[in-house]
Amino acid sequence: GQNIDQPTEMTATEGAIVQINCTYQTSGFNGLFWYQQHAGEAPTFLSYNVLDGLEEKGRFSSFLSRSKGYSYLLLKELQMKDSASYLCALMDSNYQLIWGAGTKLIIKP
Amino acid sequence: NAGVTQTPKFRVLKTGQSMTLLCAQDMNHEYMYWYRQDPGMGLRLIHYSVGEGTTAKGEVPDGYNVSRLKKQNFLLGLESAAPSQTSVYFCASSSSGIVTGELFFGEGSRLTVL
Repeated sequence: GQNIDQPTEMTATEGAIVQINCTYQTSGFNGLFWYQQHAGEAPTFLSYNVLDGLEEKGRFSSFLSRSKGYSYLLLKELQMKDSASYLCALMDSNYQLIWGAGTKLIIKP
Repeated sequence: NAGVTQTPKFRVLKTGQSMTLLCAQDMNHEYMYWYRQDPGMGLRLIHYSVGEGTTAKGEVPDGYNVSRLKKQNFLLGLESAAPSQTSVYFCASSSSGIVTGELFFGEGSRLTVL
């Protein structure tokens, strides 16, 4: 079967760096996505990784290791507006998205 | 820029009542999806459509029906609402399917079934 795990909640300080991990188990893999979702709002696309390595996009970076079934989202220079839930989603061999439950990130001043 | 618009935003139903959620997108996207989001769980796909006039079942289709009569609209119907259908419903669209990774979501419709 397929399974995605990510921490339920994390707390970090404004200006700091935080890493949100996502581990998965799947029989087929076609990519891993990260979305951001502010409370009461729609999820918005952050990143897509299909090959191993680090993809950098401004203050946000996403890393993938297919052999380890592991990804992380790295947020630098944290701002209060980064307080949100971060959703990890796996695209399986049937090109269906399997979503994690999300990590709620709380930023403190 | 409207993007993906869902109506209504909030609704309270009694068990057994019916209702329809409307999703409209103005980006000329082929693919449209209905998800539900429940506390402590990931988004779950209810139904999806790969083009006008087509629909397909997702992970949790029971108790729901959909229609895509016009390319820009994707309707989700509950024929006989049950408390288990209390959830936040999200519509999403994409230009070329999930492969590209970027889904555009509506702001959600919060449904409570008493």
